[in-house]
Amino acid sequence: GAGVSQTPSNKVTEKGKYVELRCDPISGHTALYWYRQSLGQGPEFLIYFQGTGAADDSGLPNDRFFAVRPEGSVSTLKIQRTERGDSAVYLCASSAAGANVLTFGAGSRLTVL
Amino acid sequence: QKEVEQDPGPLSVPEGAIVSLNCTYSNSAFQYFMWYRQYSRKGPELLMYTYSSGNKEDGRFTAQVDKSSKYISLFIRDSQPSDSATYLCAILLPGNTGKLIFGQGTTLQVKP
Repeated sequence: GAGVSQTPSNKVTEKGKYVELRCDPISGHTALYWYRQSLGQGPEFLIYFQGTGAADDSGLPNDRFFAVRPEGSVSTLKIQRTERGDSAVYLCASSAAGANVLTFGAGSRLTVL
Repeated sequence: QKEVEQDPGPLSVPEGAIVSLNCTYSNSAFQYFMWYRQYSRKGPELLMYTYSSGNKEDGRFTAQVDKSSKYISLFIRDSQPSDSATYLCAILLPGNTGKLIFGQGTTLQVKP
């Protein structure tokens, strides 16, 4: 597609529930990133995929967070047993091989009640 | 100390003013510096990208890096109401991974 697409744009859930957030990167981009942006803060790195594999997941806050990219294109960020502190905008970005320029999606705004 | 520090503002200026946005960083090994603009409820979009020290100009925007003082700046000339947004400085981590460290972001409002 023309840009990075993220769904849902908004998600409201209850504490303890499971959530999936989807990212569809720019066609042909091999690198995919997930960032989290809390209110009034800059985005913080969560995980980076090169192709199908997670090249760096050092930013995932704990084992409730997990992400997959099974075919090297679409990625899903999964959050188990959500907590109120997980409320944030989850941003996905992609880049072409060898490029240092990331293109971001509009984000998925997660609210945990 | 955070790796990248940015004054969150908010900053309010009249239309036509020159705007100066600034960040400091802690690690002298950083080489790639970026400025992103983020409109409300949108993702960040890349404005400027500079390598090492010096200036880079693109229309009304100038990015400046001073590696001796670990200081990066974005100047906006003839500011317009459409420039009202949050501006995020970002540093590309070494290692060719594309990982970025962002500042907190400065919210700018340009009043007509």
